[in-house]
Amino acid sequence: AQKVTQAQTEISVVEKEDVTLDCVYETRDTTYYLFWYKQPPSGELVFLIRRNSFDEQNEISGRYSWNFQKSTSSFNFTITASQVVDSAVYFCALKPGGTSYGKLTFGQGTILTVHP
Amino acid sequence: DAGITQSPRYKITETGRQVTLMCHQTWSHSYMFWYRQDLGHGLRLIYYSAAADITDKGEVPDGYVVSRSKTENFPLTLESATRSQTSVYFCASSGGRSNYNEQFFGPGTRLTVL
Repeated sequence: AQKVTQAQTEISVVEKEDVTLDCVYETRDTTYYLFWYKQPPSGELVFLIRRNSFDEQNEISGRYSWNFQKSTSSFNFTITASQVVDSAVYFCALKPGGTSYGKLTFGQGTILTVHP
Repeated sequence: DAGITQSPRYKITETGRQVTLMCHQTWSHSYMFWYRQDLGHGLRLIYYSAAADITDKGEVPDGYVVSRSKTENFPLTLESATRSQTSVYFCASSGGRSNYNEQFFGPGTRLTVL
């Protein structure tokens, strides 16, 4: 069975602070994919990043960075110099590898509020 | 417009009525999905479809019916709405045959069952 845990239900920071959103996953698959989605107050779900289980390189995209550590089954997301527009619910998700359908399992989400 | 759209965006109905939520995508993606989002449960998969005329149950299918006669459309029907089906419903699509591909989500439909 797959499971994704986002231990932080809510995080509140002041603008320009760095913030890290934690994601821990459980899976028995040797090949899998990890995702982060953002849900701003307008409600849509926006894809942010995908990571393959066999690629442990960290990734940076502007103020966003992701740290994937297979040894601890974690895929954490850091926002550097946070801005008010970063306020949203962030979801971590996991999907098994392969070409047949694999269920996308979401974490419960972390509500991030960035205050001016 | 290109992308994935849902209609209606907001719907209020009464217990026992039939409601159909529409989903349309312009990418010709093979996979389409319906999720519901509820506080405390995150997103849960209701039904998915691998191609036209191929559908299968997800995690919480009871009370819902889907069809996929055309690749681009994936309507979700609540045959007899109940209050517990009050939720935000998201449609998503995914291209290709590999689980590598991310899912793209529609804007959501907020459904209230009175």
